Amino acid sequence: AQSVTQLDSHVSVSEGTPVLLRCNYSSSYSPSLFWYVQHPNKGLQLLLKYTSAATLVKGINGFEAEFKKSETSFHLTKPSAHMSDAAEYFCVVSDRAAGNKLTFGGGTRVLVKP
Amino acid sequence: EAGVTQFPSHSVIEKGQTVTLRCDPISGHDNLYWYRRVMGKEIKFLLHFVKESKQDESGMPNNRFLAERTGGTYSTLKVQPAELEDSGVYFCASSLPGNRGTGELFFGEGSRLTVL
Repeated sequence: AQSVTQLDSHVSVSEGTPVLLRCNYSSSYSPSLFWYVQHPNKGLQLLLKYTSAATLVKGINGFEAEFKKSETSFHLTKPSAHMSDAAEYFCVVSDRAAGNKLTFGGGTRVLVKP
Repeated sequence: EAGVTQFPSHSVIEKGQTVTLRCDPISGHDNLYWYRRVMGKEIKFLLHFVKESKQDESGMPNNRFLAERTGGTYSTLKVQPAELEDSGVYFCASSLPGNRGTGELFFGEGSRLTVL
């Protein structure tokens, strides 16, 4: 069985400061890992994905995440927050052996202060 | 290219009524998934179609939920009769068939269901 834990349900940052969203996972297999973002009244949008290639993954809008197998972590970072980054972020693990069924973390809501 | 589309975007019904949600996947995506997020909880898997066949329906909460994908194109999710605890956002997603792609799912904007 696989699981995902997002360690912070809410994160508040000032515009221009770094963002760190923490995620730990548990998976029986070599996982595929994703970060999705949901802006208000929008669908889930893929930010980035890790699929056993480079451990440092760059995504859209300046986000990146590093896969650390020894720590079972996949934290999401951005050097400088923008007001448009205010949204809810989901860390997700995929079980390719089960038809790519996704297991979601509980989500982290990001507030960006001017 | 059109993304995954869901209808309605928001539905408000009374307990005991029936609601049908529809999802149109991206053209050529054999895999279609339904997920649900109830208030304050994680987004949870409901079921997975490969073309018109149910590959995995282990997440369906009970027999009040019926999903279909006749012809392997669009899918419907019917809730009958609806209960208060069914309120939430129902997401549909689709992905490329087989080993094509990296398992990325493309999500619709969701259908918000409110049961009063």
